[in-house]
Amino acid sequence: NAGVTQTPKFQVLKTGQSMTLQCAQDMNHNSMYWYRQDPGMGLRLIYYSASEGTTDKGEVPNGYNVSRLNKREFSLRLESAAPSQTSVYFCASSLLTVNTEAFFGQGTRLTVV
Amino acid sequence: DQQVKQNSPSLSVQEGRISILNCDYTNSMFDYFLWYKKYPAEGPTFLISISSIKDKNEDGRFTVFLNKSAKHLSLHIVPSQPGDSAVYFCAASDGGSNYKLTFGKGTLLTVNP
Repeated sequence: NAGVTQTPKFQVLKTGQSMTLQCAQDMNHNSMYWYRQDPGMGLRLIYYSASEGTTDKGEVPNGYNVSRLNKREFSLRLESAAPSQTSVYFCASSLLTVNTEAFFGQGTRLTVV
Repeated sequence: DQQVKQNSPSLSVQEGRISILNCDYTNSMFDYFLWYKKYPAEGPTFLISISSIKDKNEDGRFTVFLNKSAKHLSLHIVPSQPGDSAVYFCAASDGGSNYKLTFGKGTLLTVNP
């Protein structure tokens, strides 16, 4: 059981480039999430998908788009990367959206220069 | 406006002693609280949770106490072990919703042998 798998683990982008962060879970969870973590700050929710076929904005959605490709996969896209998007990105999943803990991937460290 | 505050960026304790990590919150709508542990280069891992209808929840060496009137919760680790050295995040939710989780900035716990 791999749990939540994120790719890539590291990425360096130039300002204006685009990229997609991939996330897959094998726990048959309904809900999936994308967070970012910045130095000295807690995790902040970017987007989430309560169930297959639905996506909603979180606390910091600007500059990002998401796709819930199927029940297993939830991708995060940066259309035109900016230095302010330099961060560590975590994907997570949970069985339900309420009162169930989320399981996190190992993270993607993204640097935009 | 930081709704979940972990005022101690770091804490150092001796192996075998008690570790107490503190967390304060300001939003009276929060009714579900969680603690996550994070090792370097890994994603956060769920540790323990508590609902607002309880004031204590215990799981092995880990106990979480909730004082609703003071809007304060604490995580006790007894006895502390070197493997407990990690960053601990407190998180709070309105209605138990994972998409309404608010994280604190984290406390780095170091357990010295």
